[in-house]
Amino acid sequence: DIQMTQSPSSLSASVGDRVTITCRASETIGRYLNWYQHKPGKAPNLLIYAALSLQTGVPSRFSGSGSGTDFTLTISSLQPEDFATYICQQSYASPYTFGQGTKLEIK
Amino acid sequence: QVQLVQSGAEVKKPGASVRVSCKASGYAFTKNGIIWVRQARGQGLEWMGWISASTGDTKYAQKIQGRVTMTRDTSTSTAYMELRSLTSDDTAVYYCARPKNTVTDDTFDIWGQGTMVTVSA
Repeated sequence: DIQMTQSPSSLSASVGDRVTITCRASETIGRYLNWYQHKPGKAPNLLIYAALSLQTGVPSRFSGSGSGTDFTLTISSLQPEDFATYICQQSYASPYTFGQGTKLEIK
Repeated sequence: QVQLVQSGAEVKKPGASVRVSCKASGYAFTKNGIIWVRQARGQGLEWMGWISASTGDTKYAQKIQGRVTMTRDTSTSTAYMELRSLTSDDTAVYYCARPKNTVTDDTFDIWGQGTMVTVSA
């Protein structure tokens, strides 16, 4: 199975900050990488698919980049509703595997 | 609107089975598949498998192959996940989700609210 490793595992930031989260795949996956936002007690929410495509309805402050094995999710200016856990997922090969998540907390 | 609504929390004893349902609405159920994912406390999300809502074809994670069965009822637009021979390691929140595309099953744009399954003696 393809292993997905995220860093950092947690991050403290303030409203208005620019934040970058990294995801690394254990083998090359092209651009088959998705990002989700997950809040406690809620269903995960698809933010970015195919590494850099913004899902419909997701604010443009979210962006994705990368290919091969290294990927990033960037939030350009944090808003209060963005404090959540962010999870990457490879869509290259079944079983589709997820990173452990990056918990974004308020500083 | 497009949504998936799951059945309620379950408490089971070790060795028992559990069945979780996932009712779809707001879209043509048989156009997409349904996948199941679980998250144990403090752990990451784990893909469990997929079912084609049109054909009933299934694909399961090797880790739970032999203990899991995914089915669907097209007359009620409902998918089901049954897990047998439960152990404490199966204690988790179970999610169903819809693949974004009708052809592929690898990106999930609509999720159910989650079902907590607790396995305890």
